[in-house]
Amino acid sequence: SQQGEEDPQALSIQEGENATMNCSYKTSINNLQWYRQNSGRGLVHLILIRSNEREKHSGRLRVTLDTSKKSSSLLITASRAADTASYFCATDARTDNDMRFGAGTRLTVKP
Amino acid sequence: DGGITQSPKYLFRKEGQNVTLSCEQNLNHDAMYWYRQDPGQGLRLIYYSQIVNDFQKGDIAEGYSVSREKKESFPLTVTSAQKNPTAFYLCASSTANTEAFFGQGTRLTVV
Repeated sequence: SQQGEEDPQALSIQEGENATMNCSYKTSINNLQWYRQNSGRGLVHLILIRSNEREKHSGRLRVTLDTSKKSSSLLITASRAADTASYFCATDARTDNDMRFGAGTRLTVKP
Repeated sequence: DGGITQSPKYLFRKEGQNVTLSCEQNLNHDAMYWYRQDPGQGLRLIYYSQIVNDFQKGDIAEGYSVSREKKESFPLTVTSAQKNPTAFYLCASSTANTEAFFGQGTRLTVV
């Protein structure tokens, strides 16, 4: 079964706007990661946040983690057309050390 | 170049055939993973391995088999028991609790 569930499934915004995607998961985790996938390609790692961290920044990306609610959010600020892609969260369960993904959010940034 | 390589990029299988997808990494990663992705969907975990000569079933292991005889290699065999194998297959590797690196994927089509 999917561990994470992203919300919304699809998001369409104008260039320059901010994009926020959410991820919810079910079990206790070691860390949560966000990945990006361009159509038909492999995934590229964006950011990792550990279970004892609450917020992390990397360039135009900001990730938050709320372990009490089992949820995370990814904020992309000042979006660009090149940010158009699918974004996935992934978690590794504390008991299994596996890595499971959600269904993803498809982001479209219009120029 | 360090990285993870999947081959072939495209693969065609006849009904009733077994086919093997290759995944090789030279990143010295202990963990390796196989995922299946259907059009417009997220990644579903097929098998994963945390160490040589050991692997665990993921959520959709039926009709698939793997081996992990070498640290660098984690081939996936799609057997004739997999009734709907047409999909995009992704391999990844990582060290414990860190980011995963993905191959560029193999697109398998049943003809």
